Amino acid sequence: DSGVTQTPKHLITATGQRVTLRCSPRSGDLSVYWYQQSLDQGLQFLIQYYNGEERAKGNILERFSAQQFPDLHSELNLSSLELGDSALYFCASSVSTGYPTDTQYFGPGTRLTVL
Amino acid sequence: AQKVTQAQTEISVVEKEDVTLDCVYETRDTTYYLFWYKQPPSGELVFLIRRNSFDEQNEISGRYSWNFQKSTSSFNFTITASQVVDSAVYFCALSEENAGNMLTFGGGTRLMVKP
Repeated sequence: DSGVTQTPKHLITATGQRVTLRCSPRSGDLSVYWYQQSLDQGLQFLIQYYNGEERAKGNILERFSAQQFPDLHSELNLSSLELGDSALYFCASSVSTGYPTDTQYFGPGTRLTVL
Repeated sequence: AQKVTQAQTEISVVEKEDVTLDCVYETRDTTYYLFWYKQPPSGELVFLIRRNSFDEQNEISGRYSWNFQKSTSSFNFTITASQVVDSAVYFCALSEENAGNMLTFGGGTRLMVKP
């Protein structure tokens, strides 16, 4: 158990809908990262937050957005869902940011299925 | 741009055999970090090891060992006396100092250990 929690574990929804994925980092970690794992794209970095502020952006679609709250939990919002958004979404956390020395610890993931 | 290649998409061995998973990376940074993660059938990503670019010492942890060679840009992972519980997908990842803490993952190697 990494100490990172994600809810829900599974999510099934329809095209065009909007969903919110939630992540709580390990105790003491200030950075939260979101990754998407799909069959065709593999594991891809989406976005990073540090202490409430966006720090880095990867291949995140404009239909997707995220935020980190004062209690450091984070939410990833996916809207206007398409079939291709079906994937496993991981949240990871680390102590700080800006230093590649940080190890990212991953949550169990949320499996999103868009029908 | 950073890139990680895991040429072996799938490896099958019989229990107690040794197996080596290859990882080749590309980076222009002189300071970077390499990681291995394990994804068992349950789906979570489990951190195994982190290595920085200035430390080329090989590392051993129980049945696991890692061989980092900057001259060939490789960071290979060997499992000695494999066990059925080692069956998983293994990911190699890279983070560059100039790219923050973003992880770039290889495509993964699926290891199947048969009894």
